[in-house]
Amino acid sequence: DAKTTQPNSMESNEEEPVHLPCNHSTISGTDYIHWYRQLPSQGPEYVIHGLTSNVNNRMASLAIAEDRKSSTLILHRATLRDAAVYYCILRDVVGNFGNEKLTFGTGTRLTIIP
Amino acid sequence: EAQVTQNPRYLITVTGKKLTVTCSQNMNHEYMSWYRQDPGLGLRQIYYSMNVEVTDKGDVPEGYKVSRKEKRNFPLILESPSPNQTSLYFCASRTFSGPEAFFGQGTRLTVV
Repeated sequence: DAKTTQPNSMESNEEEPVHLPCNHSTISGTDYIHWYRQLPSQGPEYVIHGLTSNVNNRMASLAIAEDRKSSTLILHRATLRDAAVYYCILRDVVGNFGNEKLTFGTGTRLTIIP
Repeated sequence: EAQVTQNPRYLITVTGKKLTVTCSQNMNHEYMSWYRQDPGLGLRQIYYSMNVEVTDKGDVPEGYKVSRKEKRNFPLILESPSPNQTSLYFCASRTFSGPEAFFGQGTRLTVV
C-alpha cells in the first residue's frame, strides 16, 4: 500500500489560514489523494480529493506538487469547528472486486487557538 | 438527510457472547465497509461489500463476519468476542462513481 507521512500535530490561530502538509513519495500514477477529517467523537468526514491539479471546494483547497510526491491541504480561514484530526490518504484500488480501501494513517491533530 | 447509521453507539459485553453491530445507509450506495480504529494504528478495514451478496475480507477480518442481504444494510457480527476486539468501529458507504465515503458515527465496543 502506498504510504503517507503527516506531522502528528499542528496549531493555528483562529481566522488564519492553515496549511497541512502530506508526503507521499511512493505514490503511483493512478493514486488519487484524498483528505478526510475526524472531529471529536465522530466518524471521518470527506474533505477534498485530487489527482494532479489543484482543487478547491467549499471546505478547503488542495495543492498538489508537480511531481505528486507531496500535497497540502489549505483551510483558508480556520474556525474552532475545524479542530480535528486530518488524514491524507491515497485511494487504493485492490483485489478482483476493485475494493477501494481507504488506508488511514494516524493523521495530523489540528488545534485551533481562539 | 443522507446518512450512515450505526447501532448501538456504545456496547460493553463479555467474552464469548455473540453480538451484532448494525449499519444502515439511505443513499442507495453499492459499496459498504467496516473499519476498526485503535490508538496508534489508525483505521483498518475489516470487511467490505461491493453489492448485495458480494462481500470480501479486508486487512483484519479474523473474528468477524458480515452479511449483505439488502443493499442498505451491512451488519458486523462477532460470533465469540474477545478482549482484543475492544475498539471503535466505523461503517462506511459510497457509490462506485463518487469519490466520497460516508462514515457512521461509530460504535465503541468493550469486551471484558
